[in-house]
Amino acid sequence: AQTIHQWPVAEIKAVGSPLSLGCTIKGKSSPNLYWYWQATGGTLQQLFYSITVGQVESVVQLNLSASRPKDDQFILSTEKLLLSHSGFYLCAWRAGRSDYTFGSGTRLLVI
Amino acid sequence: GDSVTQTEGPVTVSESESLIINCTYSATSIAYPNLFWYVRYPGEGLQLLLKVITAGQKGSSRGFEATYNKETTSFHLQKASVQESDSAVYYCALGNSGGSNAKLTFGKGTKLSVKS
Repeated sequence: AQTIHQWPVAEIKAVGSPLSLGCTIKGKSSPNLYWYWQATGGTLQQLFYSITVGQVESVVQLNLSASRPKDDQFILSTEKLLLSHSGFYLCAWRAGRSDYTFGSGTRLLVI
Repeated sequence: GDSVTQTEGPVTVSESESLIINCTYSATSIAYPNLFWYVRYPGEGLQLLLKVITAGQKGSSRGFEATYNKETTSFHLQKASVQESDSAVYYCALGNSGGSNAKLTFGKGTKLSVKS
């Protein structure tokens, strides 16, 4: 069975500090991977997607970056956090025309 | 662009009462959108509750149901008798069926609390 693991579960970070969020998918080779984000009071929106190792497409510009260093790993990061980065981050995978499978999410508070 | 509007939460209902969470959509970039309801229980990830890909059809799961109405561009979620375990955040979403970037467009989510 496929599993998706996101880390960390929650973070409190200072403005200007770096951030790295991760996501690992097990049991599925070459999935399409996605990052979604929901600001407090906002809607869940897609930030990035990747269809293969080393290739990431940006959908929304938020001063964040994403990388896919391995087939089963997707990383979201930034060198300098902004207050506006606070929110809920979800990783997801999809294979072909299957439904999305989402992780448990990371709640980020930037202070 | 595409958009989804759903009932603003939080919504509180008593156990065994009926529930309706409204969802309307606007799909400008997708000719035949697929419609979804996702649910996020406390401490868990987003799970697919039900989906409908054909206008006029009804989807159902765990006692919930929703009908894809293309005329009114609606996809309301209903349940005849809620339970305390239904307490969660519910998201309405639309998307297309294929392509590597089959993006989902979500509503803001509706937090449901069921009191015993």
